[in-house]
Amino acid sequence: SQQGEEDPQALSIQEGENATMNCSYKTSINNLQWYRQNSGRGLVHLILIRSNEREKHSGRLRVTLDTSKKSSSLLITASRAADTASYFCATGSGAGSYQLTFGKGTKLSVIP
Amino acid sequence: GAVVSQHPSRVICKSGTSVKIECRSLDFQATTMFWYRQFPKQSLMLMATSNEGSKATYEQGVEKDKFLINHASLTLSTLTVTSAHPEDSSFYICSARGTTGGVYESEAFFGQGTRLTVV
Repeated sequence: SQQGEEDPQALSIQEGENATMNCSYKTSINNLQWYRQNSGRGLVHLILIRSNEREKHSGRLRVTLDTSKKSSSLLITASRAADTASYFCATGSGAGSYQLTFGKGTKLSVIP
Repeated sequence: GAVVSQHPSRVICKSGTSVKIECRSLDFQATTMFWYRQFPKQSLMLMATSNEGSKATYEQGVEKDKFLINHASLTLSTLTVTSAHPEDSSFYICSARGTTGGVYESEAFFGQGTRLTVV
């Protein structure tokens, strides 16, 4: 079942601006991951943050995790037109099969 | 990072025929592979989880006789859509997780997806 909920569902910004997307979830997790998907393509893994971590950086990406609020945010700084894509959060919980539960995604449009 | 290859990327088939989609982990062994389905402008819905050498575990509401999954080796899983109908048209994506204790254990690596159109 889907437990990740991203907001906003759609975001349109000018190139150079920062983009912030949020994700909320309902159950306990081991980790939370953010993925990017260009239209009609597969998923590209962006970043993984474990449940005992609060913040993580990767290039222009910054992810925060607040397990008390069951929420995470993805910040893309200095956005580029090439960042236009859909962004999904996915939660991993439990051991063994390591299934991911995806949110509905945020469609980001960066206007040149 | 690890590479997962999914083939074909696009397929058009006639109603009533069967279609096989392959998912291969190219540079690592995948104990577990996952099959997802994505409708336009929607998120990914897990269909089934397959472990090498054992039967797949299907999510509620997914017909196992219609979506046959075979995970015969640590590098290959196949999804066969049997007797396809137009409502089966969708984007199918696989992912693979590396073996326990291995370098690629912590992430699930995704294939590029297969766009299935049933006419």
